[in-house]
Amino acid sequence: DAGVIQSPRHEVTEMGQEVTLRCKPISGHNSLFWYRQTMMRGLELLIYFNNNVPIDDSGMPEDRFSAKMPNASFSTLKIQPSEPRDSAVYFCASGWTQYFGPGTRLTVL
Amino acid sequence: AQSVTQLGSHVSVSEGALVLLRCNYSSSVPPYLFWYVQYPNQGLQLLLKYTSAATLVKGINGFEAEFKKSETSFHLTKPSAHMSDAAEYFCAVMHGSSNTGKLIFGQGTTLQVKP
Repeated sequence: DAGVIQSPRHEVTEMGQEVTLRCKPISGHNSLFWYRQTMMRGLELLIYFNNNVPIDDSGMPEDRFSAKMPNASFSTLKIQPSEPRDSAVYFCASGWTQYFGPGTRLTVL
Repeated sequence: AQSVTQLGSHVSVSEGALVLLRCNYSSSVPPYLFWYVQYPNQGLQLLLKYTSAATLVKGINGFEAEFKKSETSFHLTKPSAHMSDAAEYFCAVMHGSSNTGKLIFGQGTTLQVKP
């Protein structure tokens, strides 16, 4: 198995633009988690899904953030409009013991 | 509510010395506990987990951790540090029941290994 796949690996955008991060979980895993990591705030859970259904989105910082999981093999995290304070590394993880992807480094100018 | 506290944000050891990274937890239910390692520019990788079986858990790369209920601790150890062990380490407790999969992470401990 290729592990958890995230794209893009790096994203640089300007304030106000829409950003979409993508994640392909490991086949057979029923749960998927989105995290954000910054030096200031550490690792934060944004949202997680079980069997494609959002279970807990209490970590989503505000309405500018949204996440979807249309099927068991794909999830997106969207930020619209993006702001400089959204700059961070965003991780996707799948499975009960949480296999992490390599992350997407987002920079909002 | 569950929580974890990692004592010491930075730990420095010499190569070949004992590694001890401390983690204390708070949980209202029997906890499931985890240690993860993060190398620079990578995602977190599971080192080991405790799921109410043996209290001494062995993981990858020579690491192990002991669950001590009386001390509410789950410290990570390795007898002899290698340069390649330099990384950030996270302790985590599973939130609520074992079915949720939601983890509560500590703030992390950066391990420095000196030659």
